[in-house]
Amino acid sequence: GAVVSQHPSRVICKSGTSVKIECRSLDFQATTMFWYRQFPKQSLMLMATSNEGSKATYEQGVEKDKFLINHASLTLSTLTVTSAHPEDSSFYICSARDANPGGATGELFFGEGSRLTVL
Amino acid sequence: GNSVTQMEGPVTLSEEAFLTINCTYTATGYPSLFWYVQYPGEGLQLLLKATKADDKGSNKGFEATYRKETTSFHLEKGSVQVSDSAVYFCALKSGGTSYGKLTFGQGTILTVHP
Repeated sequence: GAVVSQHPSRVICKSGTSVKIECRSLDFQATTMFWYRQFPKQSLMLMATSNEGSKATYEQGVEKDKFLINHASLTLSTLTVTSAHPEDSSFYICSARDANPGGATGELFFGEGSRLTVL
Repeated sequence: GNSVTQMEGPVTLSEEAFLTINCTYTATGYPSLFWYVQYPGEGLQLLLKATKADDKGSNKGFEATYRKETTSFHLEKGSVQVSDSAVYFCALKSGGTSYGKLTFGQGTILTVHP
């Protein structure tokens, strides 16, 4: 199947700094990518929908100024956690939808996740 | 809104035991239903899916039937293996303006012992 790669897989940062997580579709083009957050022993929570060339659509309750999403190309979306605090520590997962065969019927492929720890 | 409820884990079984992980959902319209599996250190992988009532999804010995009358999509396997140890997520995808968004259950950790 198609591969979605996230980088870094683990990151530790100090409180107040910003961290960027990359999500790449390695062998397909993705017009839409989704960013999820997973808390320990809890489900994945959709944070935002990232569309190539346009602004991301954020879910209710997600601070768009804190979680900056950029989808500059058909194979790359980035999530930047700005001014990170310990409560932002979590597992962030992206998924991408194959633009071909096209439309909203394309299967979703998930990255391996990025674990952020804010000290 | 949409929601998915899975049986709480963790589930611990011996090899060759029968597995059932319950999943029920609440959704408007006619959602598609999925089971995803997350092996240690890896991302989520689609295990199986069903797009309409009474459909049965199956893969790698796992199967689940879309039951609209009971709003359920329980995952079953007749004989589990140690390699099935993973976290299993039930999810739904609804249509309309939210098409493409997945709503996940909380995940069920399965551990299979030799």
